Amino acid sequence: QSALTQEASVSGTVGQKVTLSCSGSSNNIGSYAVGWYQQVSPGAPKTVMFGDSLPSGIPVRFSASKSGTTASLTISGLQPEDEADYYCSTWDSGLEVQVFGRGTRLTVL
Amino acid sequence: EVELVASGGDLVKPGGSLRLSCEASGFTFSTYSFHWVRQAPGKGLEWVASISQSVDRTNFIYYADSVKGRFSISRDNAKTSVYLQMSSLRVEDTAVYYCARGHDMVPTVFDHWGQGTLVSVSS
Repeated sequence: QSALTQEASVSGTVGQKVTLSCSGSSNNIGSYAVGWYQQVSPGAPKTVMFGDSLPSGIPVRFSASKSGTTASLTISGLQPEDEADYYCSTWDSGLEVQVFGRGTRLTVL
Repeated sequence: EVELVASGGDLVKPGGSLRLSCEASGFTFSTYSFHWVRQAPGKGLEWVASISQSVDRTNFIYYADSVKGRFSISRDNAKTSVYLQMSSLRVEDTAVYYCARGHDMVPTVFDHWGQGTLVSVSS
């Protein structure tokens, strides 16, 4: 059982806005910035958001937010190339480990 | 340009040892933390270990429970490299191992990833 809970799968059509969630606790999401990582198999993960900041080269349709112990990644204007697995991660001060969610498979219909 | 190149993955028997390397370039290596994250076949990402930047010549090091006592993370600032020494390897350690750089202002997130190196543990 992961310390961070993500939807197993989410789908949307091209141009749609989709939101992926990541639920944790006061020891992790409630206290620390969350990273969001995109992985198109079989490649390496790529950082698409850290905290609420957009890394260089990531399209502005990606955004992130946090409310209490839940973090969210929003893609506004879904594109076919956004189809991938998305993972959230942060530090957990109670466990003293870096925790990952199990990942959300995003399908673009 | 930031680059992280992982190497050292191989096929090894259960109980064996292996050392992974991650060579970094394109930035001031000593001021960043580094992390190893692995992905077993068909599974999600699993954090393995982290090493902080040096603070008064001391590095803060953390391990996942699944590797504590068997794996050791280290860094060589002069060689701009991070290492993962793995011993007492188990079949369940089979995975692609990625090195990642911690963000300098937000250390709980990773801002760059290497390409990964495959470790297969099998008799």
